[in-house]
Amino acid sequence: AQSVSQHNHHVILSEAASLELGCNYSYGGTVNLFWYVQYPGQHLQLLLKYFSGDPLVKGIKGFEAEFIKSKFSFNLRKPSVQWSDTAEYFCALRGNNRLAFGKGNQVVVIP
Amino acid sequence: DTGVSQDPRHKITKRGQNVTFRCDPISEHNRLYWYRQTLGQGPEFLTYFQNEAQLEKSRLLSDRFSAERPKGSFSTLEIQRTEQGDSAMYLCASSWDGSSYNEQFFGPGTRLTVL
Repeated sequence: AQSVSQHNHHVILSEAASLELGCNYSYGGTVNLFWYVQYPGQHLQLLLKYFSGDPLVKGIKGFEAEFIKSKFSFNLRKPSVQWSDTAEYFCALRGNNRLAFGKGNQVVVIP
Repeated sequence: DTGVSQDPRHKITKRGQNVTFRCDPISEHNRLYWYRQTLGQGPEFLTYFQNEAQLEKSRLLSDRFSAERPKGSFSTLEIQRTEQGDSAMYLCASSWDGSSYNEQFFGPGTRLTVL
């Protein structure tokens, strides 16, 4: 079975602050990991993905994530957030052709 | 717009009624997925198709739920005898399994409210 857990469901921070969202997974096979973002009123969009190779992956809008196999983690980071980063962020694991999502992090950036 | 589209965007129904949702995937995508998302949760997998074949169904998909993709293009998800617990956002996604990453692209969802 595959599962994903995300912590700190609600995050409030000021513009220019740094953001880190935790993601831990459980899966016995080869992991493909994703972070999706859902801006208010919009549908899920892919931020970044990890399949293999360099464990530090860069995505759109200045986001990056680091895959640490020994910790079963895939944490998302952004050094300096903007008001436009207000959104819900979901970590997901693909196994057996399906995506398993975490519960999400609701991030609010205060101008 | 060549993204995934879903219709309707919102549906309000009374308990016991049947509802049907439609998903139109990105045209060249051969895989189509249905997920359900309830408040405070991430999307949960329901089922997926490769062309017209339904290859996998989640245990979440009770016998009141049925999905079809008759010509390998659009798909429908029907819920019979709706219950209040069926209230959720129903998401459709599509992908092309010939690509290296098989990235899933999501539609805007259909929000179902069962009164």
